[in-house]
Amino acid sequence: QMQLQESGPGLVKPSETLSLTCTVSGGPIRSFYWSWIRQPPGKTLEWIGYIYDSGSTNYNPSLKSRATISVDTSKKKFSLKLSSVTAADTAVYYCARDRRDYGDYFDFWGQGTLVTVSS
Amino acid sequence: DIQMTQFPSTLSASVGDRVTITCRASQSTSSWLAWYQQKPGKAPKLLIYRASSLQTGVPSRFSGSGSGTEFTLTISSLQPDDFATYYCQQYNTFGQGTKLEIK
Repeated sequence: QMQLQESGPGLVKPSETLSLTCTVSGGPIRSFYWSWIRQPPGKTLEWIGYIYDSGSTNYNPSLKSRATISVDTSKKKFSLKLSSVTAADTAVYYCARDRRDYGDYFDFWGQGTLVTVSS
Repeated sequence: DIQMTQFPSTLSASVGDRVTITCRASQSTSSWLAWYQQKPGKAPKLLIYRASSLQTGVPSRFSGSGSGTEFTLTISSLQPDDFATYYCQQYNTFGQGTKLEIK
């Protein structure tokens, strides 16, 4: 069974860069899309962006080019960097397998990690 | 950008009830739509994809239908484990969620 696990700091200072990593196990990382999705407390889900194993990426325009997603297929990890964070970036961050090529859905999710932006 | 509107935002029901949640897209661009169930402190769980395909392992009391701009999720007979928040999703956009509460 495929499993995803997010890791990274739970507290980031305003104006700094948020960095998270997702480790994929129980299945291949190649030939799939992988997304980051976040959920501010009490709010709905917001897609951040995806990466394909070739390295091609696409991001939510609302993040105004602050997000960067990268992948290391040899380690079965993909990562998110979000620069110039503010309190509005406080959220639970999820990584997920993205099946936009097969039906446009997210079928496997990490457990999520809460990132708080505060000085 | 596409907008996804779910209604109702809150639904009170009893065990054994049949319930329906609706999701409306601001424009008709795809027949693909997914539904998720989320419980407090947990990641969303995929229930339905491609509007009506049941994800492996999901009970058959869950069903999805619709096309164009209007889609529905139906739970045929509510079980205690079904009280949660439900989200629809199309492309990269999620609905605001429907909280299903015990009456």
